Amino acid sequence: DAGVTQSPTHLIKTRGQQVTLRCSPKSGHDTVSWYQQALGQGPQFIFQYYEEEERQRGNFPDRFSGHQFPNYSSELNVNALLLGDSALYLCASSPSGVGGEAFFGQGTRLTVV
Amino acid sequence: GDSVTQMEGPVTLSEEAFLTINCTYTATGYPSLFWYVQYPGEGLQLLLKATKADDKGSNKGFEATYRKETTSFHLEKGSVQVSDSAVYFCALTSRNTDKLIFGTGTRLQVFP
Repeated sequence: DAGVTQSPTHLIKTRGQQVTLRCSPKSGHDTVSWYQQALGQGPQFIFQYYEEEERQRGNFPDRFSGHQFPNYSSELNVNALLLGDSALYLCASSPSGVGGEAFFGQGTRLTVV
Repeated sequence: GDSVTQMEGPVTLSEEAFLTINCTYTATGYPSLFWYVQYPGEGLQLLLKATKADDKGSNKGFEATYRKETTSFHLEKGSVQVSDSAVYFCALTSRNTDKLIFGTGTRLQVFP
């Protein structure tokens, strides 16, 4: 079992650009959540996808959007990048109904310059 | 809103010392409580959990007890190893949601 896999592992973008991050959940998991972890901070919840729909959303602007595919994999899109978007972006998967017991990927380190 | 407060680190210990990392929470209702660990260069791993008052979660020698009266979930280990060096995050999920709310993390450094 490969666990949760994220790509790419590192990314450098310029202010104003757009970025897409990808996540494949652990086998058997149908729920995917995305978190932003700034340096030295705890992860902050961005949103969660289940059955290809956004089920919950944290306090992030509309520049952050996502998608879930029929195979449960997911994408996180961020438009009009700001310097403050530089962070580690973590994807977590879980089986539906198992609150909090999430399996995390290693993350994508995004640097906006 | 719901929140988690952890003691600031780093916590520096010698091998075989006793570990306590304090965690308190604010939440409406009865949250589930978790400790996650992040080893260098890796994602977060669930260490232990407790879903109701007085539950004790345990794993790999680590323990934490859900104390509703003090709204706390302190992490303890009787004898730490160098391999326990990592960042530890206390987290909760509120009732009817599985969105994790994390504390800021506590870095543990264990020296031989």
